[in-house]
Amino acid sequence: GENVEQHPSTLSVQEGDSAVIKCTYSDSASNYFPWYKQELGKRPQLIIDIRSNVGEKKDQRIAVTLNKTAKHFSLHITETQPEDSAVYFCAASISQGAQKLVFGQGTRLTINP
Amino acid sequence: DVKVTQSSRYLVKRTGEKVFLECVQDMDHENMFWYRQDPGLGLRLIYFSYDVKMKEKGDIPEGYSVSREKKERFSLILESASTNQTSMYLCASRAGQIETQYFGPGTRLLVL
Repeated sequence: GENVEQHPSTLSVQEGDSAVIKCTYSDSASNYFPWYKQELGKRPQLIIDIRSNVGEKKDQRIAVTLNKTAKHFSLHITETQPEDSAVYFCAASISQGAQKLVFGQGTRLTINP
Repeated sequence: DVKVTQSSRYLVKRTGEKVFLECVQDMDHENMFWYRQDPGLGLRLIYFSYDVKMKEKGDIPEGYSVSREKKERFSLILESASTNQTSMYLCASRAGQIETQYFGPGTRLLVL
């Protein structure tokens, strides 16, 4: 089955700098890659997703890139702000059957003022 | 606006007790999921259901069972709670062919 590896497990950046979180997946049939943000004490919420027919997607300060050949995808946050501090999860799924998501281990991002 | 609710935010149970965790969604989603979240391990899928009375094992089903008698409700059952089941449990739901998944607020379970 699908396996998703996420790195780094913790990341600390200065406010205003950029942050990058990387994930690799094992199943070449995976075609949907969402990113979730979980603030302390709250539920995970979708922040951006990408499908395998595109290589990059942006939404304001957040972007996701996908390299299908290498089977990895990344989350890029520019001009980081204190409210970006959270745990971020990547995931992958196959758009067949029950379409279950397989999650990475999570990255705790801390923005230092 | 999608709403996924869980019956309890915090639970304390004794070893050997039978524990029920309830999840309800109000958006008529076909798919519902139960995860447990542990530090450093991410979100691990316990069970999921793609229709009423249908269920499939996830990655860590041992010690758990589920019930889905109505479309909006998905229950996780710990038949005989053990201390290694102390964790945060998250329910989620998703429409059939749309991949955005919505999570409940979580239930933090402590088994003594």
